Amino acid sequence: GDSVTQMEGPVTLSEEACLTINCTYTATGYPSLFWYVQYPGEGLQLLLKATKADDKGSNKGFEATYRKETTSFHLEKGSVQVSDSAVYFCALTGTASKLTFGTGTRLQVTL
Amino acid sequence: DGGITQSPKYLFRKEGQNVTLSCEQNLNHDAMYWYRQDPGQGLRLIYYSQIVNDFQKGDIAEGYSVSREKKESFPLTVTSAQKNPTAFYLCASSIGGGGPEAFFGQGTRLTVV
Repeated sequence: GDSVTQMEGPVTLSEEACLTINCTYTATGYPSLFWYVQYPGEGLQLLLKATKADDKGSNKGFEATYRKETTSFHLEKGSVQVSDSAVYFCALTGTASKLTFGTGTRLQVTL
Repeated sequence: DGGITQSPKYLFRKEGQNVTLSCEQNLNHDAMYWYRQDPGQGLRLIYYSQIVNDFQKGDIAEGYSVSREKKESFPLTVTSAQKNPTAFYLCASSIGGGGPEAFFGQGTRLTVV
């Protein structure tokens, strides 16, 4: 079945540091790929998405590129802020509209 | 405003009792989902529904039940058969058919006392 693997956290960075959170997937066909963000005590919000190979999703300074050859969708940001502290989930929709999530990566940004 | 609403935000249940969590959406979405999130864990799919009057088990359906009598509503019942029900429950909806993103409610935190 479909699956998503993302790097374990927590990831602790100083403000203005570069961020990369790795995500790889296994799926049949051509899934759509997503990054969601969860702030404490809240539901998930869509951060960015890509629906086909080589698409780049971007939002709020974050970006990720759909790499079919490496089955990856790594999240990157050039300069993180304290307000970026949250849990980030990589996800895909594959067969039967089923949304499959990775385990989440907690990011803590310090001053 | 269009969106997805879960209620209540916090819920306490005595052991052995069934409890129902509400999820309503006014986005005209066909697909709806229930996920469970444990502290420090990812999201695990409980049940999902792609259309009214139809639903499928997810990865951890045991001890839970759902109904989908209306397009807007997808309530989740946590039964006494669920051995460890304390968790954060998230409901989501999407247009369906694969591809588009899901929209999430704010979650319900269930605690068994």
